[in-house]
Amino acid sequence: NAGVTQTPKFRILKIGQSMTLQCTQDMNHNYMYWYRQDPGMGLKLIYYSVGAGITDKGEVPNGYNVSRSTTEDFPLRLELAAPSQTSVYFCASSYSGTPGRQPQHFGDGTRLSIL
Amino acid sequence: AQTVTQSQPEMSVQEAETVTLSCTYDTSENNYYLFWYKQPPSRQMILVIRQEAYKQQNATENRFSVNFQKAAKSFSLKISDSQLGDTAMYFCAFMKPVGGSNYKLTFGKGTLLTVNP
Repeated sequence: NAGVTQTPKFRILKIGQSMTLQCTQDMNHNYMYWYRQDPGMGLKLIYYSVGAGITDKGEVPNGYNVSRSTTEDFPLRLELAAPSQTSVYFCASSYSGTPGRQPQHFGDGTRLSIL
Repeated sequence: AQTVTQSQPEMSVQEAETVTLSCTYDTSENNYYLFWYKQPPSRQMILVIRQEAYKQQNATENRFSVNFQKAAKSFSLKISDSQLGDTAMYFCAFMKPVGGSNYKLTFGKGTLLTVNP
């Protein structure tokens, strides 16, 4: 049971490049989330998904896209990388139902720098 | 909009002593959940403790306990018998329903706790 796995752990992009941050979980969780963490700040929700085929915007979705074709995978896509997207990105998952009883499980994070 | 405020950017404590981290939040909701997460230098986010708003009893997990004051919208974390491994960034988080079975999680800015030997 690996939990939530994010790849890559580190990446440097040039402005305007695109990339996909991968996230997969093996706990059969329905809910999955993408957060970004800027220095000195709390996590901000980018997108979330309540099940395969269903995604919705969070607090800061601009510049990102997601898809959820399977329960296990929830990739985050950056189409035109901008310096403002330099951040640490966390993927998380949880069971459906009452979230207060089912905590979110986080991946180890992806540190992304846009130069 | 919900906000979560952690007024202490940094704190330090001596090993084996007790420390309390503050968290206040602003909401008009009655049904919500509160969490404390720990983020050590490895950056992985670890759930420390959770509290359901409808429960009056304060949650406890081993050396970690909370003081939940719903009327005051306060949710402080007490760490007893501090250990060197407790050194980390601690985030307070608030979760509320946003329609249907969907929920939104809001984090504070974090408190960096250093446990000194």
